Order: sequence, then structure tokens, then C-alpha cells
Amino acid sequence: DSGVTQTPKHLITATGQRVTLRCSPRSGDLSVYWYQQSLDQGLQFLIQYYNGEERAKGNILERFSAQQFPDLHSELNLSSLELGDSALYFCASTPTSGGDNEQFFGPGTRLTVL
Amino acid sequence: QKEVEQDPGPLSVPEGAIVSLNCTYSNSAFQYFMWYRQYSRKGPELLMYTYSSGNKEDGRFTAQVDKSSKYISLFIRDSQPSDSATYLCASRPQAGTALIFGKGTTLSVSS
Repeated sequence: DSGVTQTPKHLITATGQRVTLRCSPRSGDLSVYWYQQSLDQGLQFLIQYYNGEERAKGNILERFSAQQFPDLHSELNLSSLELGDSALYFCASTPTSGGDNEQFFGPGTRLTVL
Repeated sequence: QKEVEQDPGPLSVPEGAIVSLNCTYSNSAFQYFMWYRQYSRKGPELLMYTYSSGNKEDGRFTAQVDKSSKYISLFIRDSQPSDSATYLCASRPQAGTALIFGKGTTLSVSS
């Protein structure tokens, strides 16, 4: 158990809908990363937050957004969902933004768009 | 071309075999190299970490980085059925930045 929690574990929804994925980092970790894992693209970085502020952006679509709240949990919002958004979504946390820290991954949320 | 390329396999070996998993990368700025292991329906977990070139050993696992050829390897000695998982190589140019992953190699070790 990495100490990172993600809810829900599974999510099934329809095209055009909006969903919110939630991540609670390890206790004391200030930085949260979101990744998307699909069969054809592998694990891809979406966005990073540090202590409530956006720190880096990767291959995140404009339909996707995220935020980190004062209690350090983070939410990833996916809107106008398409079939191709079906994937595993992971968050990972580290104590700080800089520094050479291991990223601890949560168990993921499996999103299925029908 | 993806920045980190990895043969997806699958790779099947008998118990006790030596396994070699490999990745190549294209970005010369990459300095940090990791191997993650991902069991089915679980999140990735860090297995090995190497900074710059060289070898690192941890029990049955050895990670090797050759920056001149941009080649990353993971060797597993005396492989066990519990090693059956997907192995992901990852890299990044600077500490604290996001990881760039290969697609992962699925390994199956049969008893």
C-alpha cells in the first residue's frame, strides 16, 4: 500500500458526460501528479500540482482540468467525454516539488466511456 | 517517436531464468532513470532507480544505464513467479519533473 488513495476505483459513464476523479496523497506529501494509462499510449503525464498551485503540464486535453485543495487532495475533472478517454487514471505524490523523490502511485481509477 | 521506447513483449520465461528487459530513450537531457513494476490492477511501484550512467544492484535486480547509447536495462536473476508483472522504464531530465514512461513489458514467469 503506497499510502495514496484514489476514488472511485471504477467509473462507467457515457460519451459527453463529465466525471471527477479524486486523489488523496500520502500524509505530508505536497506534490501530486496525474497520469493517464492506455493500451496504445502507455502511461502519460497529465499535470502536476504542488501545494495548491499548478506546477507543470503534460499531454492534458483542454477538456480536462485539475485542482489541488488546501487539504492537499486533488481532483481531476474530465468533461465532454469521448470513447478514447477510457483509460486508467493514476495519481502519484511526492513530499516536495523539486528534489529527487520517489513518486508513490495510487491504485488508479478505471474509467470506461460507453 | 516516443521519448522512451520499450518492447511490450509479452515475455515468458521459466522459473529461475535470467530476464533482460530493455528500453531506449532519445532525449540526451535525461539523467534520472527508473524501473517500475506494475502488478495487474495495481499502481506502478518503484523497483530500481539510477542517476546518470552505471549499474545498480538490489538483490536479484540489476539496473544498467548506458548514456552513450541511450540504453536502459533491467536484469532479473533467478526469476520467480511473483516477478510476473508489467515492467515500466521511466526517465526524466531533472529531479522533481514528471516521469516519461515506456509502454511497459509484460513478463510471465512460469513455475
